[in-house]
Amino acid sequence: EDQVTQSPEALRLQEGESSSLNCSYTVSGLRGLFWYRQDPGKGPEFLFTLYSAGEEKEKERLKATLTKKESFLHITAPKPEDSATYLCAVQAASGGSYIPTFGRGTSLIVHP
Amino acid sequence: DAGITQSPRHKVTETGTPVTLRCHQTENHRYMYWYRQDPGHGLRLIHYSYGVKDTDKGEVSDGYSVSRSKTEDFLLTLESATSSQTSVYFCAISDSDRGPSGYTFGSGTRLTVV
Repeated sequence: EDQVTQSPEALRLQEGESSSLNCSYTVSGLRGLFWYRQDPGKGPEFLFTLYSAGEEKEKERLKATLTKKESFLHITAPKPEDSATYLCAVQAASGGSYIPTFGRGTSLIVHP
Repeated sequence: DAGITQSPRHKVTETGTPVTLRCHQTENHRYMYWYRQDPGHGLRLIHYSYGVKDTDKGEVSDGYSVSRSKTEDFLLTLESATSSQTSVYFCAISDSDRGPSGYTFGSGTRLTVV
């Protein structure tokens, strides 16, 4: 069974204090790993897709990296507007379905 | 969100009544999905559709049915609502079941069953 575990569950940072969120996964062959951002009262918003170990993607203050067992979402010099819940999802390469499995998310609060 | 709308945004209903939630898209995407999101569980797939009249079950499909008679509309029906179905429901769309762009989610429907 595919499993996705995100840590920490919650993270509080001061503005400008860089940190990383973790997404560890167990799947029988990884087709893709997705990162989403979710603001309160809204649906998740797609950020990145990573396909293979060593791959990196960047967007503004966010950088996602991927190894064979986990992905990190690095947040450099965060601002209060980066406060949100960040979701990770993995898509397995095997089996008939390509439906991704979602983690429970990391709630990030950035204080000014 | 642009291209996908859910209705209603909020609903309170009584136990035992049927409830239908609507998802409408203007992107002409083939794939549509219904998820529920609950504290401690994250997003869980209820049903999905891979074309008009083509649907399949997700991991938490008991007590739910879906219909897709047009590309743009995907309906989720709670046949007889129970308190355990109190949740936030999200619809999502994608143009491919294996593509790189992830899903586009709607803004959600908050359903309370009393």
